[in-house]
Amino acid sequence: EAQVTQNPRYLITVTGKKLTVTCSQNMNHEYMSWYRQDPGLGLRQIYYSMNVEVTDKGDVPEGYKVSRKEKRNFPLILESPSPNQTSLYFCASRPNTGELFFGEGSRLTVL
Amino acid sequence: EDQVTQSPEALRLQEGESSSLNCSYTVSGLRGLFWYRQDPGKGPEFLFTLYSAGEEKEKERLKATLTKKESFLHITAPKPEDSATYLCAVQASGTASKLTFGTGTRLQVTL
Repeated sequence: EAQVTQNPRYLITVTGKKLTVTCSQNMNHEYMSWYRQDPGLGLRQIYYSMNVEVTDKGDVPEGYKVSRKEKRNFPLILESPSPNQTSLYFCASRPNTGELFFGEGSRLTVL
Repeated sequence: EDQVTQSPEALRLQEGESSSLNCSYTVSGLRGLFWYRQDPGKGPEFLFTLYSAGEEKEKERLKATLTKKESFLHITAPKPEDSATYLCAVQASGTASKLTFGTGTRLQVTL
């Protein structure tokens, strides 16, 4: 089944404790992206990757890092999480053109 | 800066009561306008892509239309299973890097 898989789905952590949210897609898509979704603000892009080893900032990249060492994986790294990073995170992928396929989401709470 | 505004914020319909959701946008050249459906606790699910003014697409009880400034998602004779948040997003010409999302319309269809 074609899918985008994120882990963990739910996480509660404390300020400053590094964490990684993994994302994997099995559709051989070149493009991958991370979004965060907050009430009243909609989905906002954090980082994106057009292909392996090519990443760039989206609209809200502060406090986040990404890497794209393999085509299928695009982890999101929070080096020192803060409470304002409490959010619902979505990973998405697509071929060169066309619609985005989203993962199921990762709900992160930073205390 | 690209902007997407969706209205109404929330809509409650009785089963069989048709209505329309609005998506107004400003973008420096439209590459595509996308409609997604999002169920609680899930990632957005692709519905339609529209590329040029005058274009229409249909899927079951849903029909999406596009003008130069807005898009409508028409819901004909809705059923309770159509209850969800409907998201609109635009992709600007000259960029393959991101979608700009609206904040969505939360639709509830009651018996």
